[in-house]
Amino acid sequence: GDSVTQMEGPVTLSEEAFLTINCTYTATGYPSLFWYVQYPGEGLQLLLKATKADDKGSNKGFEATYRKETTSFHLEKGSVQVSDSAVYFCALKGDRLAFGKGNQVVVIP
Amino acid sequence: GAVVSQHPSRVICKSGTSVKIECRSLDFQATTMFWYRQFPKQSLMLMATSNEGSKATYEQGVEKDKFLINHASLTLSTLTVTSAHPEDSSFYICSARERDRGYTGELFFGEGSRLTVL
Repeated sequence: GDSVTQMEGPVTLSEEAFLTINCTYTATGYPSLFWYVQYPGEGLQLLLKATKADDKGSNKGFEATYRKETTSFHLEKGSVQVSDSAVYFCALKGDRLAFGKGNQVVVIP
Repeated sequence: GAVVSQHPSRVICKSGTSVKIECRSLDFQATTMFWYRQFPKQSLMLMATSNEGSKATYEQGVEKDKFLINHASLTLSTLTVTSAHPEDSSFYICSARERDRGYTGELFFGEGSRLTVL
């Protein structure tokens, strides 16, 4: 069935550092891909999405490109802030909505 | 933006009691709502899909008699954990898709409800 794999473990980095969170997926057909963010004490929010191959989703300085050839949708941000500290979930919507395990990102001042 | 509200945000109950969690779409109508369970340091697990006016569709391995889902109106879905036990302690999250937004419509998530069963 459809599944999403995110890199293991939390990510700790300094303010203004470059952030990459890897996400790969397995799906039949052509799913839509999403990144959701969960700030401390809050619910999930959609961060960005891409609905077809080579689409680039972007929001709040974050970007992710739908790569069909590598079945990936890696999240990147060029310069993180302390306020970006949150848990980030990669997700796909094929025949169902499937989430990765999430990565906690901690940005240190 | 669209808001989904869950209530209660935290609930503590004794083993054997039943707990009801409400999920409301505050400023839009939701024909479809989803219920998830989130274990510590793990991802969201879809429990069931609820469509307004019809029976919920449960994911494999989820006990429908244990987790009762009702979607009686376009703005309210409820999850009742019946005869709760400590292993049911978890973080339950609902999401809703706006009516007529179609298959790829954005999902809006509630804040989650943390259930602790003593």
